[in-house]
Amino acid sequence: QVQLQESGPGLVKPSQTLSLTCTVSGGSISSSGYYWTWIRQHPGKGLEWIGYIHYTGTTFYNPSLKSRATISVDTSKNQFSLKVSSVTAADTAVYYCARDFKGGYCGMDVWGQGTTVTVSS
Amino acid sequence: QSALTQPASVSGSPGQSITISCTGTSSDIGGYNYVSWYQQHPGKAPKLMIYDVNNRPSGVSDRFSGSKSGNTASLTISGLQAEDEADYYCSSYTYITTGIFGGGTKLTVL
Repeated sequence: QVQLQESGPGLVKPSQTLSLTCTVSGGSISSSGYYWTWIRQHPGKGLEWIGYIHYTGTTFYNPSLKSRATISVDTSKNQFSLKVSSVTAADTAVYYCARDFKGGYCGMDVWGQGTTVTVSS
Repeated sequence: QSALTQPASVSGSPGQSITISCTGTSSDIGGYNYVSWYQQHPGKAPKLMIYDVNNRPSGVSDRFSGSKSGNTASLTISGLQAEDEADYYCSSYTYITTGIFGGGTKLTVL
């Protein structure tokens, strides 16, 4: 079955760029109908949808990140990535990658285990 | 855009039924039949329990059911079990951000 695994630095300095990668195993990221999604959860808080990408490159972002987020896909590596620029302490969170099988209509059926990112000097 | 509104906590005894509400607006829950529910145990990733208002993914117990009326969606868990104790999040499609979550509800099985 499809599995997702996040990877990237656990500590990022303020004003720098947070970079995470999600590796898809057990299936192809190029499978039609799936949107590959990033979601984060602030400490002790609820979930926040960041954005998604289709393997063709189509992306959509939550406007609340004010254009700081960029999601890209590398089909040759079966990976998709997230970059968040100009980070502050407010970007400290657990970051999850997930597969949306509903084509962007809120059906995240496969999730990574999550990776904790702390923004601190 | 504000998160969907859920009660902070609900509780029930084993064997009982509970319902968690999720209130939005006509721009999200009221406008589309794309409501989903997720279960999250402490330290774990969320798990999809309901999608498209009332559909269960394969492997999810039929004790879990969803519904919607107007701008409010609901998750009902019947025959409560100890393993159901977790946080539950609703989510809805919205044309503004594509996805929006509720603030989460902590379910306690007494």
